[in-house]
Amino acid sequence: DTGVSQDPRHKITKRGQNVTFRCDPISEHNRLYWYRQTLGQGPEFLTYFQNEAQLEKSRLLSDRFSAERPKGSFSTLEIQRTEQGDSAMYLCASSSSHQGNTEAFFGQGTRLTVV
Amino acid sequence: GEDVEQSLFLSVREGDSSVINCTYTDSSSTYLYWYKQEPGAGLQLLTYIFSNMDMKQDQRLTVLLNKKDKHLSLRIADTQTGDSAIYFCAESLPLDTGRRALTFGSGTRLQVQP
Repeated sequence: DTGVSQDPRHKITKRGQNVTFRCDPISEHNRLYWYRQTLGQGPEFLTYFQNEAQLEKSRLLSDRFSAERPKGSFSTLEIQRTEQGDSAMYLCASSSSHQGNTEAFFGQGTRLTVV
Repeated sequence: GEDVEQSLFLSVREGDSSVINCTYTDSSSTYLYWYKQEPGAGLQLLTYIFSNMDMKQDQRLTVLLNKKDKHLSLRIADTQTGDSAIYFCAESLPLDTGRRALTFGSGTRLQVQP
C-alpha cells in the first residue's frame, strides 16, 4: 500500500455538469475525510466517515455535494450542477482510530476547474 | 469558535533557522499538527504535539507549544532549499465532541534563499 490515492488528479468541466471523484484510503484505515482547498488557503473540512458511516458534514457541503463510502473502503465525492465557485483542490485523507493513532495521511488531491 | 492563524510569508537564507508561528483559539484542542505542502502536491505530516506537552524535537524540527497563550511554533534548524514549501498549522478537537477533523491555518510560505 503506497498511501492515499485519488482519481482523477485533474478535472476540467463545464458549469452545470456533474463530476465524481474517487479516494482510496490506506487499507487498514477506518476513518476517511474529504477537504477542499482553494488557492492561498488551508484545507477546509467537508465530511468524515468512520467505516461506511458518514458521521459529520460541514455546512460547506451544500445539497449539490454528496459523498459515499459504501463498503467502508474507497469513497466517492460527487458534485452536481457544478459552479465556478466549486473550482478547488479536493483532498482526501485517512486515519486509523486504533490505539489512539492521530495521524491523518493525505492524498495528492483532485484539482477541479469549472469553466 | 475555531480559528487558526499564521503569518503568510517567511524568507530565510540557506543554513539559517526558520521559525514559523501559529495561534489558535480553541483551548480544548488535544493535538496540534504541522503539515508541509509542496507545489501541486498533497499535505505531508511533519510532526505533531499533544496538548499536555510544551516541546517536541524531531531531528531538525522543534515544536514549541505555549498553551496559555495558544501559540504554537515550528523551528527548522539548518534550513535547506528543499524546505521551501507552504507550512500549515492544524488543530484537532477532543474525541468527546464527536468532531475528529482538523482545522487548518491559511499556511505560511517559506522561501529559502541559497
